[in-house]
Amino acid sequence: GENVEQHPSTLSVQEGDSAVIKCTYSDSASNYFPWYKQELGKGPQLIIDIRSNVGEKKDQRIAVTLNKTAKHFSLHITETQPEDSAVYFCAASPPRGGADGLTFGKGTHLIIQP
Amino acid sequence: NAGVTQTPKFRVLKTGQSMTLLCAQDMNHEYMYWYRQDPGMGLRLIHYSVGEGTTAKGEVPDGYNVSRLKKQNFLLGLESAAPSQTSVYFCASSDFDRGRRGSEKLFFGSGTQLSVL
Repeated sequence: GENVEQHPSTLSVQEGDSAVIKCTYSDSASNYFPWYKQELGKGPQLIIDIRSNVGEKKDQRIAVTLNKTAKHFSLHITETQPEDSAVYFCAASPPRGGADGLTFGKGTHLIIQP
Repeated sequence: NAGVTQTPKFRVLKTGQSMTLLCAQDMNHEYMYWYRQDPGMGLRLIHYSVGEGTTAKGEVPDGYNVSRLKKQNFLLGLESAAPSQTSVYFCASSDFDRGRRGSEKLFFGSGTQLSVL
C-alpha cells in the first residue's frame, strides 16, 4: 500500500518568512495530492490540492509543487501570518476515485513566531 | 451552513462500556467516513460508506461498527471500549466528482475527543 512520509514534524518560522513542508510517497500510481490545514480544536480543512498532470499550483500565498520522478511534493507558504499557525497534513491517493484511498502523512505543526 | 456536525464533542468512558458517535451532514453528500487521529499518527480511516445502507472497512476497523441508515447520518459504535480507543474521532463527507466517481475532497466535522479509562 501507499506510504506517505511528512517532514518536518514541527516547523517554527518568523512572521513574514516563508515555510516549506515536504512529503514523499511510495506508490508511483498515486495521482492526487491534497493538503489539509487543521486549526486548534477544529477538523482538517482542504487548502490546496494538485493532480499528477500538473507540476505546480498556486493560490494566493500558498503553493504546492510536485515532482513525480522523485515522488515528492511540497507545500509553500509565503509571507507567513499568525493565522497560518496550525497542523498541516499532506495526503496521496491512487487514481480510482473516492477518499477511501487517501493516505495521510503524520502532520506538521507550523508555528509562526511574532 | 452547518456542514458536518459531530456529537458529542467530548466523552469519557470506562473500559468495557459502549457508546455511539453521531455524524450528520447537510450537504447531501453521498460518501461518509470515520477517521481517528492519534498523536504522531496522522489520520487513519476506520470505516466508510459510499451511500445510504452501505458500509465498508477502512485501515483500522477492529473494535468499531458503523451504520448508515439515512443518507445524512453516519454512526460509529464502540461495543466494548478499550483504552487503545482513546483518540480524537473525525467524521468526513464527500460528494461525486464531475465524472460521477467519489470525490477525494473531504469535508470534516470538528471532532469528538474520546477518553477510555
